[in-house]
Amino acid sequence: EVQLVESGGDLIQPGGSLRLSCGASGFTFNNYWMHWVRQAPGKGLVWVSQIYNDGSDRRYADNVKGRFTISRDNAKNTLYLQMNSLRVEDTAVYYCAREIGPSNKGGTFDIWGQGTMVSVSS
Amino acid sequence: SYELTQPPSVSVSLRQTASITCSGDMLRNKYASWYQQKPGQSPVLVIYEDTKRPSGIPQRFSGSNSGNTATLTISGTQAMDEADYYCQAWDGSVWVFGGGTNLTVL
Repeated sequence: EVQLVESGGDLIQPGGSLRLSCGASGFTFNNYWMHWVRQAPGKGLVWVSQIYNDGSDRRYADNVKGRFTISRDNAKNTLYLQMNSLRVEDTAVYYCAREIGPSNKGGTFDIWGQGTMVSVSS
Repeated sequence: SYELTQPPSVSVSLRQTASITCSGDMLRNKYASWYQQKPGQSPVLVIYEDTKRPSGIPQRFSGSNSGNTATLTISGTQAMDEADYYCQAWDGSVWVFGGGTNLTVL
């Protein structure tokens, strides 16, 4: 079964750091671009970050650039998101997602994890 | 920055046709995807590359994309289709979601 399982969410104080993990199974992990998408309580989906299948390129939403770092360990079939200088507005469920069909017209997220909750509060 | 605009809510009577729109500049030049999300659950892909259905998605779900508007159509809407729906596209550098549409089945 194709599956993504996130972990690492927690309650943390503003200014703190946290690392999220996303374990992949059921598919050849190193063939796919991977993403993090977040959803604040009661709000919509917001793209956060993307990484190429070999880790050679990474992209970030403007409001996390310089604070978050996406990485992957293809030997461990695991995606990571290192989050530093956390703010109250980073509070959200964080999903990892697999992208298929990247092209000059864009790709799509076909597999999503169950999400992990990050709460930033004093 | 690129934006995708969806109506916040759409209502449809049981077994009727629901249409949810997604507007963005030159959207016809990009692939639009659609995701269904029920309360407490992760998003599920229902349409990709404007018109394609993943395996396991009922045939009553269809998509189109022309001009500046992509449309998700649900024919013969069932009670189980009540959910939030999000469109998504890539603007060349970042991936963008619409604000979401809450579909109510009456």
